Amino acid sequence: NAGVTQTPKFQVLKTGQSMTLQCAQDMNHNSMYWYRQDPGMGLRLIYYSASEGTTDKGEVPNGYNVSRLNKREFSLRLESAAPSQTSVYFCASSFKERGYTFGSGTRLTVV
Amino acid sequence: SQQGEEDPQALSIQEGENATMNCSYKTSINNLQWYRQNSGRGLVHLILIRSNEREKHSGRLRVTLDTSKKSSSLLITASRAADTASYFCATDSQGGSEKLVFGKGTKLTVNP
Repeated sequence: NAGVTQTPKFQVLKTGQSMTLQCAQDMNHNSMYWYRQDPGMGLRLIYYSASEGTTDKGEVPNGYNVSRLNKREFSLRLESAAPSQTSVYFCASSFKERGYTFGSGTRLTVV
Repeated sequence: SQQGEEDPQALSIQEGENATMNCSYKTSINNLQWYRQNSGRGLVHLILIRSNEREKHSGRLRVTLDTSKKSSSLLITASRAADTASYFCATDSQGGSEKLVFGKGTKLTVNP
């Protein structure tokens, strides 16, 4: 089982550029999430999707958009990257009360 | 805003000693979970304790939950150098969503 796969693993963007972070899970989980992790801040929820076709804002959604393409895939888009979006991004999925499965993360630097 | 807050922020112990980390949270929950994160990696789910449970064990891990004090503790017994990692507590809400709010973590260093 691959679990949760995130691509790319590393990315450097210039301010104002756009990009999409990809996430796919092969565990047939209903719920998927995007978090960002900054030093000393823990993980903060950007967006989540409780099921295919639904998405909801989390704690820090500004500057991001998401798409739940199908049950497997949940992508995160930065339309116009800003230095404040420099972070490590984690995708996760879950099914009921079984805990989250996380991807290995995308390290994004915006210069 | 952070729901859970871990204490201490950092902990350094010798191999073989026990490590205890605490988590406090603010609102009522359905369950509380603990995760481990090795440096540069994603988080790994360790254990889940439901609001009607007081204690749970998994191998060398022991988790307690006190809903009256809105607090939980994670005990790692007979620690090993491989336990060096950051540990996070995470809480859901009673609204039925699987959405979790994570604390800022405790960084544990186990010295060989």
